[in-house]
Amino acid sequence: DAGITQSPRHKVTETGTPVTLRCHQTENHRYMYWYRQDPGHGLRLIHYSYGVKDTDKGEVSDGYSVSRSKTEDFLLTLESATSSQTSVYFCACQDEGDSPLHFGNGTRLTVT
Amino acid sequence: SQKIEQNSEALNIQEGKTATLTCNYTNYSPAYLQWYRQDPGRGPVFLLLIRENEKEKRKERLKVTFDTTLKQSLFHITASQPADSATYLCALVRDTGRRALTFGSGTRLQVQP
Repeated sequence: DAGITQSPRHKVTETGTPVTLRCHQTENHRYMYWYRQDPGHGLRLIHYSYGVKDTDKGEVSDGYSVSRSKTEDFLLTLESATSSQTSVYFCACQDEGDSPLHFGNGTRLTVT
Repeated sequence: SQKIEQNSEALNIQEGKTATLTCNYTNYSPAYLQWYRQDPGRGPVFLLLIRENEKEKRKERLKVTFDTTLKQSLFHITASQPADSATYLCALVRDTGRRALTFGSGTRLQVQP
């Protein structure tokens, strides 16, 4: 299985503060993704990356930005956290276009 | 709009029976479909991929069918075990723009001993 880790695993922050979530993979996979998971909505795509400095928006990208300066790292930033961004965030990596996604174990973010 | 629908109600079955989960989609023409398993507090784990030109795919006790006319995939677990209890997610690749997987909301399966 791909080695993919997310940090932190849990975070509580206040409305209006910036937050950065980190995803690190050791498999040299080209594609990386950020999803959020909320009850009743399943996994929703926030942003994704097809390579270093090559990123694109998903279906729920408002309020989020990403950066990928190295193959192994994909950062998700909430510039000014809001309560609606309270969620569980999952990062995933993928070797080729139709190969399986390998997920991290998530970051539980609470915005108070 | 594109939509993926999975039964949001939990499926409860007895050990040894076959579990059948449904994934319906609208306004997609997916080249393939994937199924994942998710346990509480963990990320999803890939189970099976089936392509549009395949009717059926098997892996051990798992079977997936893909009917592009009905726009439906069925996921079967035969001889189910309590360890199969989890949430099962189907995922389709977007057929417009850059391709990324879109997930259904999942169906929770509970296998009673």
